[in-house]
Amino acid sequence: GQNIDQPTEMTATEGAIVQINCTYQTSGFNGLFWYQQHAGEAPTFLSYNVLDGLEEKGRFSSFLSRSKGYSYLLLKELQMKDSASYLCAARGDSTLTFGKGTMLLVSP
Amino acid sequence: SAVISQKPSRDICQRGTSLTIQCQVDSQVTMMFWYRQQPGQSLTLIATANQGSEATYESGFVIDKFPISRPNLTFSTLTVSNMSPEDSSIYLCSVEDTTTEAFFGQGTRLTVV
Repeated sequence: GQNIDQPTEMTATEGAIVQINCTYQTSGFNGLFWYQQHAGEAPTFLSYNVLDGLEEKGRFSSFLSRSKGYSYLLLKELQMKDSASYLCAARGDSTLTFGKGTMLLVSP
Repeated sequence: SAVISQKPSRDICQRGTSLTIQCQVDSQVTMMFWYRQQPGQSLTLIATANQGSEATYESGFVIDKFPISRPNLTFSTLTVSNMSPEDSSIYLCSVEDTTTEAFFGQGTRLTVV
């Protein structure tokens, strides 16, 4: 079966760094995705990892360990606009399975 | 990247009625999907919309309740049939390109009263 676990919510202050963890179990594995979803809006793509290691893209980085079934999303220099839900999603043999999302609240 | 237009953006419907949601993509795509996102929940895949053949439904979803059309490579519809309050949710159309990234429409916020 497919299972994605991530924390329900996190808080952080503006300018800080936050790490959102995700563990996954899938039938087959063809990549790990992170999406950002602001309230009332559609998810938008942030990152994709299929090999072990760190992928950096501006203020956002994503890490994958396939042997551990583990990924994290690292957000640096947090801004108020980063307050959103962050969805971890794993692709198994065919379809994407999404976690429930981590609601991040950035405070001044 | 793909630009997806989904409509309606929201609707309030009476129980027992049906609503058809449309999804238009600005380019031809092989894979189109329909998701449901209930309040505070994750995205749940309803079905894969296949061009020229019947949609492939995930466990817990059936064609009689969620009929899907895919007449060509740029358009699909999802109908929510015989609605009940439990169908109140956000419905999202999604497409995937050759890099496997998924793009989403703006979503349809459905409230059944």
